[in-house]
Amino acid sequence: DAKTTQPPSMDCAEGRAANLPCNHSTISGNEYVYWYRQIHSQGPQYIIHGLKNNETNEMASLIITEDRKSSTLILPHATLRDTAVYYCIVRVGGYQKVTFGIGTKLQVIP
Amino acid sequence: DGGITQSPKYLFRKEGQNVTLSCEQNLNHDAMYWYRQDPGQGLRLIYYSQIVNDFQKGDIAEGYSVSREKKESFPLTVTSAQKNPTAFYLCASSITPGETQYFGPGTRLLVL
Repeated sequence: DAKTTQPPSMDCAEGRAANLPCNHSTISGNEYVYWYRQIHSQGPQYIIHGLKNNETNEMASLIITEDRKSSTLILPHATLRDTAVYYCIVRVGGYQKVTFGIGTKLQVIP
Repeated sequence: DGGITQSPKYLFRKEGQNVTLSCEQNLNHDAMYWYRQDPGQGLRLIYYSQIVNDFQKGDIAEGYSVSREKKESFPLTVTSAQKNPTAFYLCASSITPGETQYFGPGTRLLVL
């Protein structure tokens, strides 16, 4: 799997959009970008994934640059319950293992 | 209400003791996985199973054993051979091998 780089921590004001960046400059053409989050002492929660196109679901939006070397996860209206560690991973479709790095610790501030 | 359950939430192990962590899913997923997470670190794959009665070692299988006798169940045994078992253990499943993995709430294992 390609390596990802994320900032170790970010703050976001409650009600504002949280934009979490991820760099994956060595991504291969068949690797998907996945985002998970982990609230303290809980299991990781799947958020969204994409290959080339931007994606949106009820939780978030995923913006992938045209060259696919970076992406941004957008939480449109952050709440205190969005405070968590957010993991960006890339993986080949059909591959078994999910490799989590250190992630970005997002703190939503009242 | 579909999902993955892990029990217990906390587990204490004495030296030389084997302990078994439970993982159950009612999502009708074929594949199941066990990961270990140490403080401030990412996840490491212990074992995975693509189908009933089949399982493969992950990156850190030594000192662990698993079984997959039923589709919905994938218990993990931490044996006395695992010298550093204190960690947060996470079970996951996916509808088919390689698809999006969904995680359970985790079991925290502590050594007395």
